[in-house]
Amino acid sequence: GAGVSQTPSNKVTEKGKYVELRCDPISGHTALYWYRQSLGQGPEFLIYFQGTGAADDSGLPNDRFFAVRPEGSVSTLKIQRTERGDSAVYLCASSSMGHDTEAFFGQGTRLTVV
Amino acid sequence: TQLLEQSPQFLSIQEGENLTVYCNSSSVFSSLQWYRQEPGEGPVLLVTVVTGGEVKKLKRLTFQFGDARKDSSLHITAAQPGDTGLYLCAGGSGGSNYKLTFGKGTLLTVNP
Repeated sequence: GAGVSQTPSNKVTEKGKYVELRCDPISGHTALYWYRQSLGQGPEFLIYFQGTGAADDSGLPNDRFFAVRPEGSVSTLKIQRTERGDSAVYLCASSSMGHDTEAFFGQGTRLTVV
Repeated sequence: TQLLEQSPQFLSIQEGENLTVYCNSSSVFSSLQWYRQEPGEGPVLLVTVVTGGEVKKLKRLTFQFGDARKDSSLHITAAQPGDTGLYLCAGGSGGSNYKLTFGKGTLLTVNP
């Protein structure tokens, strides 16, 4: 596809369960970002990948959150022992070169923890 | 902690009216971006401003970056229903634009 693709679009999970959220960036984009958008708020930075490595993971709220990008393309955001406060839209974005080029966002995954 | 305050939070106007939304901070940003987000979609970049005092125009939209690079405004002339959406400002700092600080947004509704 031409844009950033995120799956699933919606995910409902029970408190305490483990979830994985997937992001397919635009082909060839080396930089990938995860953001979280809670209801009524702007997006909040979580983590930035340049290639396969996490260049900055300072936005991850705690050690229940982890993200990988093993081949420098698809990325997976993993959340362990989910809590109701994790409910939000998780947005992924990618850009072509470094962090100074325009980032294109996916449509997001809406996570609801019940 | 850098914060961006956007005002107004909600704005409902009639087609053809003009409007201005504001984005203010006590912190200096190296760049400031404006996005528009529609329900169920990710934000879409409208413009990036990097120089204090810079003004950029995009059709009926005019963006201004404050001289001190702490604030910005977005002015829309003759608003149309297609302009409806959530307008977000986001500041970049430290010479990089990836770790953006977003405001809460202004939800604009343009009624036909």
